[in-house]
Amino acid sequence: NAGVTQTPKFQVLKTGQSMTLQCAQDMNHNSMYWYRQDPGMGLRLIYYSASEGTTDKGEVPNGYNVSRLNKREFSLRLESAAPSQTSVYFCASSEGLDHEQFFGPGTRLTVL
Amino acid sequence: QKEVEQNSGPLSVPEGAIASLNCTYSDRVSQSFFWYRQYSGKSPELIMSIYSNGDKEDGRFTAQLNKASQYVSLLIRDSQPSDSATYLCAVEGAGGGNKLTFGTGTQLKVEL
Repeated sequence: NAGVTQTPKFQVLKTGQSMTLQCAQDMNHNSMYWYRQDPGMGLRLIYYSASEGTTDKGEVPNGYNVSRLNKREFSLRLESAAPSQTSVYFCASSEGLDHEQFFGPGTRLTVL
Repeated sequence: QKEVEQNSGPLSVPEGAIASLNCTYSDRVSQSFFWYRQYSGKSPELIMSIYSNGDKEDGRFTAQLNKASQYVSLLIRDSQPSDSATYLCAVEGAGGGNKLTFGTGTQLKVEL
């Protein structure tokens, strides 16, 4: 079992470029999440998907869009990257919203 | 008041000592509580879950929950340098709804 996988591991973008971060889980979990983590800020929830076919905004959704492609996959898109989006992005999944979450290895994104 | 609060630290303890990490939360109806460990540059890893008042032990780790006082703590006995990490507390329902809300974490340093 791979658990939660994320691609890419590292990415450098120029301001205004777009990109999609990919996340997949093989634990048959219903819920999936995207977080960003900045120094001193802890984990901040960007978007989440309680179940296949649903998505909801988290604490910091501006500048991002998500797609729950199927039960396994949940992608995060930056349409026009800004330096403020330089961060480490974690995808996570859980059986349900009130269950423990399991995290992917993260994507380190730098926007120049 | 933050929904889940942790002292950011760093908390420094000598090798072999007991490390005590604390977390308070704002929502009286929260039912599920989790502790994660995050090494520098890595993703959060679940180490303990607790659902009922009292203590739960797993090896060198003990989670303690007091719902009346709205705090959850993590004790690490016989602390080792490999325990040096940031410890995140996660509480179900603290941010509204029933998803998890994470604290910003306490950095633990175990010194030789």
